[in-house]
Amino acid sequence: DARVTQTPRHKVTEMGQEVTMRCQPILGHNTVFWYRQTMMQGLELLAYFRNRAPLDDSGMPKDRFSAEMPDATLATLKIQPSEPRDSAVYFCASGLTGTGAEQYFGPGTRLTVT
Amino acid sequence: QQQVKQSPQSLIVQKGGISIINCAYENTAFDYFPWYQQFPGKGPALLIAIRPDVSEKKEGRFTISFNKSAKQFSLHIMDSQPGDSATYFCAAKGGSEKLVFGKGTKLTVNP
Repeated sequence: DARVTQTPRHKVTEMGQEVTMRCQPILGHNTVFWYRQTMMQGLELLAYFRNRAPLDDSGMPKDRFSAEMPDATLATLKIQPSEPRDSAVYFCASGLTGTGAEQYFGPGTRLTVT
Repeated sequence: QQQVKQSPQSLIVQKGGISIINCAYENTAFDYFPWYQQFPGKGPALLIAIRPDVSEKKEGRFTISFNKSAKQFSLHIMDSQPGDSATYFCAAKGGSEKLVFGKGTKLTVNP
């Protein structure tokens, strides 16, 4: 069945290293969202795309985070350099414009920065 | 104005009981109110959703009650089961595809 896939599922890295997380949205979906989930802040929207164009990245620390969609089947979220406070679960979600805003979430990438 | 306030943070219910989670919003432009269910180690999944033109929507044991004048909506889980133990998020959308999420409620249903 169609689902959002994310890689890697787990990532442990040292402070200062670059981290790249990947997402494959559901085929045919034209919106992609990146969220960060922590105990303290809950689910925070970092960025989202429609038809591969970035529409809003106001939730993202601009100096170290970047999000792109090189093609319709791949979305990436990069952190460079990573910091311990970036430790969280990062979710990608995809959906279709105009269908009641239903978003389908991937299984997440659990990032630990030491 | 973009916030959705959710309560309680945690809830413990006995098997067969009714679980009730409440959410409140300020932005009157919100026009879609979904609830998501998240199990440990998984991503959130859409459970049930409602638009403000109806006051109630029921799907199986799950019901959303919506009060437009009070700007509140709630999730009721009837005959709660241990398998319902999860974290529940309310959310709201209006004017764009962005969802604004509540902070979540961790539900534990004791057998």
